[in-house]
Amino acid sequence: KAGVTQTPRYLIKTRGQQVTLSCSPISGHRSVSWYQQTPGQGLQFLFEYFSETQRNKGNFPGRFSGRQFSNSRSEMNVSTLELGDSALYLCASSLAGSGGHYEQYFGPGTRLTVT
Amino acid sequence: AQKVTQAQTEISVVEKEDVTLDCVYETRDTTYYLFWYEQPPSGELVFLIRRNSFDEQNEISGRYSWNFQKSTSSFNFTITASQVVDSAVYFCALRNSGAGSYQLTFGKGTKLSVIP
Repeated sequence: KAGVTQTPRYLIKTRGQQVTLSCSPISGHRSVSWYQQTPGQGLQFLFEYFSETQRNKGNFPGRFSGRQFSNSRSEMNVSTLELGDSALYLCASSLAGSGGHYEQYFGPGTRLTVT
Repeated sequence: AQKVTQAQTEISVVEKEDVTLDCVYETRDTTYYLFWYEQPPSGELVFLIRRNSFDEQNEISGRYSWNFQKSTSSFNFTITASQVVDSAVYFCALRNSGAGSYQLTFGKGTKLSVIP
C-alpha cells in the first residue's frame, strides 16, 4: 500500500510570491492534516480536512489556506510569502471517523525556502 | 489548552546502552490519545505507538517500550540496547478525542544520538 506522497519535495520561492503544495493520502484515508515544522516553533498544526470540509484550523494567518478534493487529495496554498514561511510542511493522512483513535501517517514533507 | 513537554532536547548514548525519553503532557480532557513519532534525517515522521487515556498498560515492542502513567501525566519511551540506527529525533504528541478533532499537539522533540 502506497504511503502519503507530497509534491514537490523541495521548493524555492521569493518573498511576495505564492506557493501551492500537494498531498495525496493513503488510499482509503479521508482525513488530511497539514503541519509546519521550523527549528524555532517546532511542529505546528495548520489545518485538517475531512470529506472536502475543513474541520479544524490552527493559529495561522489567512495567507495559509487549503482545500481537499473528492478523491481526498489536498492542497495547501500560502500567499504573499514571507521569509518566516521557510519550513518543512508535512501532510498526514488518517482513516478518521468518530472516536479520534486513528493513527495519522505522515508524508516526507515539502521543504520550502523563501528568499 | 493542551501542552506536551519533552524536557530533554538532546541525548547522546553509547551503542547498546538503554535510553529513556521523557514526555509530560497537560490536558483538561478525560479522554485523549498519546503518540510517539520518530523523525530520521530524511524528515518523514514515522508512527511508533498510540496510547488511549483509558488504557494504562505498558507496551513492549522489540527493543522499544512505553510507560504510561496517568497519575504523573507522563508517557515515557525506552529503547533497550540502543543501536546507531536509532539516531533520530523523537516526538511525543497528544490528541484530544473531541468530535472531528485530529489536531496533534507535539512536544519540541528529543534528538537522540547513538554513538558506535
